[in-house]
Amino acid sequence: DIQMTQFPSTLSASVGDRVTITCRASLSIESWLAWYQQKPGKAPNLLIYKASNLESGVPSRFSGTGSGTEFTLTISSLQPDDSATYYCQQYNSYPRTFGQGTRVEIK
Amino acid sequence: EVHLLESGGGLVEPGGSLRLSCEASGFTFSSSAMNWVRQAPGKGLEWVSTISASGGATFYADSVRGRFSIGRDNSKNAVSLHMYSLGEDDTALYYCVHGWNALDSWGQGTLVTVSS
Repeated sequence: DIQMTQFPSTLSASVGDRVTITCRASLSIESWLAWYQQKPGKAPNLLIYKASNLESGVPSRFSGTGSGTEFTLTISSLQPDDSATYYCQQYNSYPRTFGQGTRVEIK
Repeated sequence: EVHLLESGGGLVEPGGSLRLSCEASGFTFSSSAMNWVRQAPGKGLEWVSTISASGGATFYADSVRGRFSIGRDNSKNAVSLHMYSLGEDDTALYYCVHGWNALDSWGQGTLVTVSS
């Protein structure tokens, strides 16, 4: 199974800050990676697919990069509405696996 | 607009069984792979199972293989998850999710609690 390691587990930043979350795969997954945002009490929402493609309707301040085993999700200018937990997920192979999540807090 | 409505969750004793259902609308169901993803209280996301559009291919997490069975009825735009030999570790919110690769649309989930 491919293990997905996400860090940091928690980060606290101010409105307007640039924020980066990293996700590392235990094996190469090419670009078969997605990022999700989950707010408390809500279902997850797809942000990025195939490592760097922005899902329709997602604000352009979100971006994704990477391939192989190292990936990043960047929020270029953190907004209050971005307070949430973010997950990466590989879909290169089964079983599909998620990272442990990164909780983003607004200072 | 994609709409996924789960049902069938509830309280079940350890060793018991439960059947979850998901009614889908807003897309061509018979052309779409479907998934179940769960989230234990206060924990992260765990992929559970995927079924191909035709139903001919199914995939399971190691933690549920042999105990859970995913199915679909394309005439009713519905996907199901039969769960057997439930244990307390299966307590979670179960989401019905659309997608073969990235998981692009999620239901609101149905809560399964395994407890005596």
